[in-house]
Amino acid sequence: DAGVIQSPRHEVTEMGQEVTLRCKPISGHNSLFWYRQTMMRGLELLIYFNNNVPIDDSGMPEDRFSAKMPNASFSTLKIQPSEPRDSAVYFCASSPDREQPQHFGDGTRLSIL
Amino acid sequence: AQTVTQSQPEMSVQEAETVTLSCTYDTSESDYYLFWYKQPPSRQMILVIRQEAYKQQNATENRFSVNFQKAAKSFSLKISDSQLGDAAMYFCAFMNRDDKIIFGKGTRLHILP
Repeated sequence: DAGVIQSPRHEVTEMGQEVTLRCKPISGHNSLFWYRQTMMRGLELLIYFNNNVPIDDSGMPEDRFSAKMPNASFSTLKIQPSEPRDSAVYFCASSPDREQPQHFGDGTRLSIL
Repeated sequence: AQTVTQSQPEMSVQEAETVTLSCTYDTSESDYYLFWYKQPPSRQMILVIRQEAYKQQNATENRFSVNFQKAAKSFSLKISDSQLGDAAMYFCAFMNRDDKIIFGKGTRLHILP
């Protein structure tokens, strides 16, 4: 029973580069969430989708951040251009619907040099 | 591998009463952090309380307190004087020194007026 799959697990890149994080939710889950985790701010919701449609992107910090969900089994979070302050662990989570418990992926640790 | 278990999928408490949410975890590490997050219907994750494993004193934040039993690997959350605004999903989370964070599946808390 595969859980939420995120790739890559680790990403190290230079500032100014484009970064793309990927997420495959659990099959059959209609809601998908992107979070950012830092020690200073804890876990922040960036955006969530319901049935592939973005419902709330108020947590997206800047226009440099964008997220897409082209189909029910795939989502991307893109940062362009990346900055050192974007360094964090980014989590993807999915749930059967908005009211059900979320299942978290293992996260992507992003380091921007 | 680290695991976090929240054995109560749902709980209900009368307004103004006290409720305790349980959380147990498994790790071989000695230095780590534990968190309780609150997720209201807005889906934002709100950090409720945080505990460093090296501190024996239980963390407290206003009406929220924890009972941290390191030997038993238990980290329960007590909410005193429950209020209607406390109704939410509560997640217990474990984070090691490498910033790897693992969440429990959550406990949905209902506050009865």
